[in-house]
Amino acid sequence: NAGVTQTPKFRVLKTGQSMTLLCAQDMNHEYMYWYRQDPGMGLRLIHYSVGEGTTAKGEVPDGYNVSRLKKQNFLLGLESAAPSQTSVYFCASSYSSWAGDEQFFGPGTRLTVL
Amino acid sequence: ILNVEQSPQSLHVQEGDSTNFTCSFPSSNFYALHWYRWETAKSPEALFVMTLNGDEKKKGRISATLNTKEGYSYLYIKGSQPEDSATYLCAFCPADSNYQLIWGAGTKLIIKP
Repeated sequence: NAGVTQTPKFRVLKTGQSMTLLCAQDMNHEYMYWYRQDPGMGLRLIHYSVGEGTTAKGEVPDGYNVSRLKKQNFLLGLESAAPSQTSVYFCASSYSSWAGDEQFFGPGTRLTVL
Repeated sequence: ILNVEQSPQSLHVQEGDSTNFTCSFPSSNFYALHWYRWETAKSPEALFVMTLNGDEKKKGRISATLNTKEGYSYLYIKGSQPEDSATYLCAFCPADSNYQLIWGAGTKLIIKP
């Protein structure tokens, strides 16, 4: 089991460029999440998905879009990158939405927007 | 705005010593409290998920307690070892949040040999 994987691990973008981050999980989890992690702050939820074909906004969704076409994959898109989107992005998954279910995290993607 | 506070921000502990740190969260509308360990260059990994007031959980030398009425949880590490060096994150889940977790900024623990 690979668990949760993320592609790419690092990326540098120029302002205005677009990119897609890919998250894949092989645990048959229903729920998937995208977080950003900034220095001195807790993880902040960008978007999440409760199942294939469904997505919902989290705490900081502006400037990002997501898609969950297959249960095992959750894509995070930046249409026009801004320096404020420089961050480390983590994908996570959980078996269900129940608050007692632990979340499993990917290794993160470090994104720098110049 | 709901806030989760962790203290201290960082902590240096001598190998072999025991230590503890705190996660504070709103005492109303509680649903669950998670603890994760995040080692450098790795992904956060779940330690405990706690849902009941008075819960105590233990995994090896690490244990956690939960007080939902006053809104805090303690994480204890007994006999710290170098491999305990990590950032410890807590996350609070309010009952009306669509089960979204609200994360603290973490306590960075450094064990000195």
